[in-house]
Amino acid sequence: QVNLMESGGGVVQPGRSLRLSCAASGITFSSHAMHWVRQAPGKGLEWVAVIWNDGSNRYYSDSVKGRFTISRDNSKTTLYLQMDSLRAEDTAVYYCVRAAYDKYQFFFDYWGLGTLVTVSS
Amino acid sequence: DIQLTQSPSFLSASVGDRVTITCRASQVISSYLAWYQHKPGKAPKVLIYATSTLQSGVPSRFSGSGTGTEFTLTISSLQPEDFATYYCQQVNSYPRVTFGGGTKVEIK
Repeated sequence: QVNLMESGGGVVQPGRSLRLSCAASGITFSSHAMHWVRQAPGKGLEWVAVIWNDGSNRYYSDSVKGRFTISRDNSKTTLYLQMDSLRAEDTAVYYCVRAAYDKYQFFFDYWGLGTLVTVSS
Repeated sequence: DIQLTQSPSFLSASVGDRVTITCRASQVISSYLAWYQHKPGKAPKVLIYATSTLQSGVPSRFSGSGTGTEFTLTISSLQPEDFATYYCQQVNSYPRVTFGGGTKVEIK
């Protein structure tokens, strides 16, 4: 059974840092690119970042580039998101997501339940 | 960035109704489109990818169609468990994907 479990969310002041973790089980973690997607209160889904299966490439949305760092430890089947210089607009539920490939394109086949990050003074 | 516009943003329907949701892309994305269902407090769930391919385990009352810039998700006979928010997603510019604004389906 596939399980992606995020942790590390909480309340943090603007300008401070937070590190999210996503523990994966039941999947071949090292074979898949992994993403972070977020949802601000009352808003839709927003893609945040991706890391290739071997960690060789990482990409970020313009809204977090230079402040967030995605990483992974395949030996621990864990994905991370280091969030620095946090802003109020980063307040959201953060989801850990696996990318699958079929019919010559990617899609997101497994999602965690998410962890809530609240940036407030 | 490729923008996706969903319509309607909200719809009220009854069990048994046929429901259609539209997703329009700001540029041609071929067939690089997926649909997700999201219920409060739960993980989003992929319904359809590659415009019309049903994900394993998803009921056949869900179907997708379209190409280019206009796409639709159809629920042929709405069931009580289908009340949720639905999102389209373009993967033409993968890994920089984008989502539509969402369509909330509520009980009439």
